[in-house]
Amino acid sequence: LAKTTQPISMDSYEGQEVNITCSHNNIATNDYITWYQQFPSQGPRFIIQGYKTKVTNEVASLFIPADRKSSTLSLPRVSLSDTAVYYCLVGVNQAGTALIFGKGTTLSVSS
Amino acid sequence: EAGVAQSPRYKIIEKRQSVAFWCNPISGHATLYWYQQILGQGPKLLIQFQNNGVVDDSQLPKDRFSAERLKGVDSTLKIQPAKLEDSAVYLCASSAPGTDYEQYFGPGTRLTVT
Repeated sequence: LAKTTQPISMDSYEGQEVNITCSHNNIATNDYITWYQQFPSQGPRFIIQGYKTKVTNEVASLFIPADRKSSTLSLPRVSLSDTAVYYCLVGVNQAGTALIFGKGTTLSVSS
Repeated sequence: EAGVAQSPRYKIIEKRQSVAFWCNPISGHATLYWYQQILGQGPKLLIQFQNNGVVDDSQLPKDRFSAERLKGVDSTLKIQPAKLEDSAVYLCASSAPGTDYEQYFGPGTRLTVT
């Protein structure tokens, strides 16, 4: 079972910053937090991964507080093409890799 | 760099028939995954291969689903016999050694069982 809680949906307008928060109260010491993006009729795509504090890449930023019980994916200045489902993944399977997807957050960006 | 290839892209079968899906991972990726994604849900891992060995098949319905990865490259996933509830998108993904958190997904095969 997925060990994360995310909002089911969010709405935004082009040019705004979007923050999607994921709750993971039972995160284990060795768990990393990984975010994926999925467009309709495509497979998911890796966005970013972090363990603590802040991680930034060319696509997004990931903020993780000290207690690691939640995390926030930040998308700067979204465009229509950022409309997608965003998944927060925490936890491991038998093989020791983070492969447990929840239902994700559907982000809708309007003009 | 070529991505993960899957075929067919779409398949329609009747219940109790059999079906097979094929996946060719990114060259050099030792780990290969098959996921099932039902409409409105996140992908669910069915089976994970490390080279040609199975490392996790705990969620694979073994009475009807089977998968193999010969020679540690291509993989096939088979369903026999299919049930209505098997209607879903079947996604194949692969990852490079040491970076299993960054998986590359194929476009998927949309299966409809009637």
